[in-house]
Amino acid sequence: AQKITQTQPGMFVQEKEAVTLDCTYDTSDQSYGLFWYKQPSSGEMIFLIYQGSYDEQNATEGRYSLNFQKARKSANLVISASQLGDSAMYFCAMRADAGGTSYGKLTFGQGTILTVHP
Amino acid sequence: KAGVTQTPRYLIKTRGQQVTLSCSPISGHRSVSWYQQTPGQGLQFLFEYFSETQRNKGNFPGRFSGRQFSNSRSEMNVSTLELGDSALYLCASRGSPDRGRNTEAFFGQGTRLTVV
Repeated sequence: AQKITQTQPGMFVQEKEAVTLDCTYDTSDQSYGLFWYKQPSSGEMIFLIYQGSYDEQNATEGRYSLNFQKARKSANLVISASQLGDSAMYFCAMRADAGGTSYGKLTFGQGTILTVHP
Repeated sequence: KAGVTQTPRYLIKTRGQQVTLSCSPISGHRSVSWYQQTPGQGLQFLFEYFSETQRNKGNFPGRFSGRQFSNSRSEMNVSTLELGDSALYLCASRGSPDRGRNTEAFFGQGTRLTVV
């Protein structure tokens, strides 16, 4: 079974500053993917960044980077130079890459509400 | 390139009724997954379809069912609606389900179902 834990129900950050959203995971799978999604109040889930379990480099996508520490089973999202439009709910998720019953299924954490102050 | 389209966006139904939600994936994508999002339970996986076959199913009662058509469009059906079925239902599409990078799922805007 897979489990994602996001311990920060809410986070506040000043505009233009960086913020780290925490995510820890638990899985017995050897090969898996980790994802971060942003969900604004409109409801749509917007893909931000992906990290494969065998990727040696931390993933980066523009202002988003994923701080992947495999031994600690953590996959924290770092948002640099926060913008007002970054205010939203952020979800960490994982999916096993192997075949079988978990294939394709995304397991989500409970989310972190990020508020960016001007 | 059009994104994932879910219809309708909002729906109000009465207890005991049934409902059908629709999802059109990104063109060329053959995998469609469905998720239920509620304030109490968060995001929970319902099922996944690939090439018209259900490949994986979450822990939901049999009142929840789905199907996928040859054009990859998918529908999910909930029969005998209960108040607790009120939720945002999200659909996600993926391209190839093979291992590797860039296998992210792209989500639609969801259907917000209210059961009264």
